[in-house]
Amino acid sequence: ETGVTQTPRHLVMGMTNKKSLKCEQHLGHNAMYWYKQSAKKPLELMFVYNFKEQTENNSVPSRFSPECPNSSHLFLHLHTLQPEDSALYLCASSHPSEGGTGTEAFFGQGTRLTVV
Amino acid sequence: DQQVKQNSPSLSVQEGRISILNCDYTNSMFDYFLWYKKYPAEGPTFLISISSIKDKNEDGRFTVFLNKSAKHLSLHIVPSQPGDSAVYFCAARIIQGAQKLVFGQGTRLTINP
Repeated sequence: ETGVTQTPRHLVMGMTNKKSLKCEQHLGHNAMYWYKQSAKKPLELMFVYNFKEQTENNSVPSRFSPECPNSSHLFLHLHTLQPEDSALYLCASSHPSEGGTGTEAFFGQGTRLTVV
Repeated sequence: DQQVKQNSPSLSVQEGRISILNCDYTNSMFDYFLWYKKYPAEGPTFLISISSIKDKNEDGRFTVFLNKSAKHLSLHIVPSQPGDSAVYFCAARIIQGAQKLVFGQGTRLTINP
């Protein structure tokens, strides 16, 4: 148990559906992240939120839409996805950037998404 | 362009022996390096880290070595135990606003009894 909770754990959706992934942390962190893990690829950073402000969008298609209403919650809204978007989506949180401290990111268990 | 690379997709080691996992990076701006361990159906969990100004950090059975001139780091696990079987990810931290972690592809470690 890392203190970062993701729901749902598994999701199957059609290409025309709209769904949302949820992430919650009560670790007092102010930075939250969405990562994507596809088979045989490194974890790919998608979005970064620092104190609820989006600071990074790693060229992610607009069919993925993040939302960070407060420092404890992060959503990933999905619409008109493609089968190649099937992957494990991981949320993480950390303390914001601080020099000199190796503050690791804590990950949730991920949502296994299958687009059919 | 992959900034963090783990060139061995898999590694098999006998129980009780030493496991050595390797990682190479290209970006000199990384200031911390981390190792994560991942079991199936779980998120990665933090294992050990090292600052770019150090060359070694040890925590129990786990030691991370950093060779900054070669842009190379390694994780040593000794003695290896069956519970160490997992996928190990090398990650490098860069501060650009918030901190960002750049991950390697992972190495699947199997410890054989």
